[in-house]
Amino acid sequence: KAGVTQTPRYLIKTRGQQVTLSCSPISGHRSVSWYQQTPGQGLQFLFEYFSETQRNKGNFPGRFSGRQFSNSRSEMNVSTLELGDSALYLCASSKRDRSENTEAFFGQGTRLTVV
Amino acid sequence: GEDVEQSLFLSVREGDSSVINCTYTDSSSTYLYWYKQEPGAGLQLLTYIFSNMDMKQDQRLTVLLNKKDKHLSLRIADTQTGDSAIYFCAESIPGGSYIPTFGRGTSLIVHP
Repeated sequence: KAGVTQTPRYLIKTRGQQVTLSCSPISGHRSVSWYQQTPGQGLQFLFEYFSETQRNKGNFPGRFSGRQFSNSRSEMNVSTLELGDSALYLCASSKRDRSENTEAFFGQGTRLTVV
Repeated sequence: GEDVEQSLFLSVREGDSSVINCTYTDSSSTYLYWYKQEPGAGLQLLTYIFSNMDMKQDQRLTVLLNKKDKHLSLRIADTQTGDSAIYFCAESIPGGSYIPTFGRGTSLIVHP
């Protein structure tokens, strides 16, 4: 079966702009989580969506937002981009129907560069 | 709160064993994971262990857990150049969100 698909793979934006990243989970997976990966901070959890609702949220400013559609596809949006937002943004999907441990499958990520 | 720490780099010779170490802080019962990230790729779950276990072995991989010291290690036997990657340790707490907290990753470099 197809894995987690993230688009685009690479993106260059200018400070102050906004950006939308997309994630298509594995078929049948209803949970989608987003992470920011930077060399300095490692992997930081942004938020998790399940059944179109944000179920968990990390410690990021309100400029970072997301949503999930009825087909479980998810988007995340970053407004008013800052240089420090340059990172690899990873999406992970899982079957997590309840708060239980199930394996998360990661996409290849979107490399965002803010100039 | 949760905090996971690991050393940033490890260099080994091909054929030797690699041992990647990790410490965590949460004393609650927890799942502990090892993920692998190859260049340009996402994270791949290698293995996980629940904190009531001491050891788990899967082919060339051995996970050892010292719950008293909150120390987790991943041993890769007969390390190959294809094992060169970043290895992440992560933990999550049952009954909570189950969202894993990741360490910063250990870059494993395997040289001939």
